[in-house]
Parts: sequence; C-alpha cells; structure tokens
Amino acid sequence: GESVGLHLPTLSVQEGDNSIINCAYSNSASDYFIWYKQESGKGPQFIIDIRSNMDKRQGQRVTVLLNKTVKHLSLQIAATQPGDSAVYFCAEGGEGTYKYIFGTGTRLKVLA
Amino acid sequence: EPEVTQTPSHQVTQMGQEVILRCVPISNHLYFYWYRQILGQKVEFLVSFYNNEISEKSEIFDDQFSVERPDGSNFTLKIRSTKLEDSAMYFCASSVTGDSTEAFFGQGTRLTVV
Repeated sequence: GESVGLHLPTLSVQEGDNSIINCAYSNSASDYFIWYKQESGKGPQFIIDIRSNMDKRQGQRVTVLLNKTVKHLSLQIAATQPGDSAVYFCAEGGEGTYKYIFGTGTRLKVLA
Repeated sequence: EPEVTQTPSHQVTQMGQEVILRCVPISNHLYFYWYRQILGQKVEFLVSFYNNEISEKSEIFDDQFSVERPDGSNFTLKIRSTKLEDSAMYFCASSVTGDSTEAFFGQGTRLTVV
C-alpha cells in the first residue's frame, strides 16, 4: 500500500551545523506535505508545509525541499540548536482532507 | 500562550471498559481533531469535527469510537469496549480555520488497556 517513510531513524549533529532530515513518500497523488516536530512528552508541532506545485519553501531557519520526480521530501535546519532536539516526521496528504499519512519519524540529537 | 489541554495525562483501563478522553481546545477555535500514536509507531488521524458534526474520519474510527462537544468547551473522545490494541497516545488538536496545519496539539493522553 501507499506509505510514508524516513531514511534515518536517528541523526546526530553538532550544535551550529546544518541538519537535513529526509522523507520518502510513495503516493504520487499526494499534493500537500507537512513537517512536524515532536519534543519529548509533547504533541506534534507544525513546522512548515509545501504544496506539490512548489519545490522549495523557506521558513525561519528551516527549508523544505520537494522532489516529485523521486518522491522525496527533506527538511533542512540551519544552525542547529539544542532546542531543535526532537523527533521530526513528515506527513503527506491532499488539499481538502485531514487524512494525512504520517511518517515514522527521525530523532534529531544536537551535540554540544 | 493559549494551549490545548488534555485530561487525564495517563489513563489505565481494563479491556472491555469504556473510556472518555477529554480535551479543552483553544477557546476561539472552531475545528477539532483527534489523532493517535501507538508507541513507537506513526501518528494516525482519527477524526475531524466542525459545527457539531464529524467532517472526516479515518478507517480506524469505527463504531467503537465517538466524539462529542458536550458543553461548548470540552471535546471528548469516547472509546467503547476497549481492546488491548487501543493502547496508544491520543492527541487532541484544534484550529481556528479548517486548515489543520494551523492546528495546535495537546500534550496527549496515554491510554493503557490491560
């Protein structure tokens, strides 16, 4: 069936370095993608989204890249900080629906 | 900062019992959602709710589940005749508009069915 997955379960980066978290999706009909951050003991927190008519979107210190050719989504975090330590997961869906398919998640560890 | 609050933080129940998970959404929000996350697994959408009715639900949200906004402030998820596999973290979320990306999530209720 269709699924969303992540390449790396854990990513460790040095404080100040850039982080790249990857996500593969398999539903070519998906046209909306979201990245969430989930800190320990908390609910998911929206970070950034992108629609399929775009290939890049920037936020504050974060950039999402979408490659529809290979069905790949990535989240780039610039100048990673200790507060960025969390699990990050992607979700895919379509406009007009709340039935997003969520990925398993990548744990980001920021090393001092 | 306004927040979505969920109670209890942890609920233990015996298999076959009914549980009600409670949520107080942010006061001016109009759209409400429930998600669940089985330990170590993906977040799964359960249901969305607007204008006192379900607007969308997933395949997981079968007759065992129901939602209600009984008094204009609480938003509840009822699970009838709980099963072991219902053990999960249940997240409530709310948003002002129907754009669920703007949704704020609560901290979750961990349900353990024994």
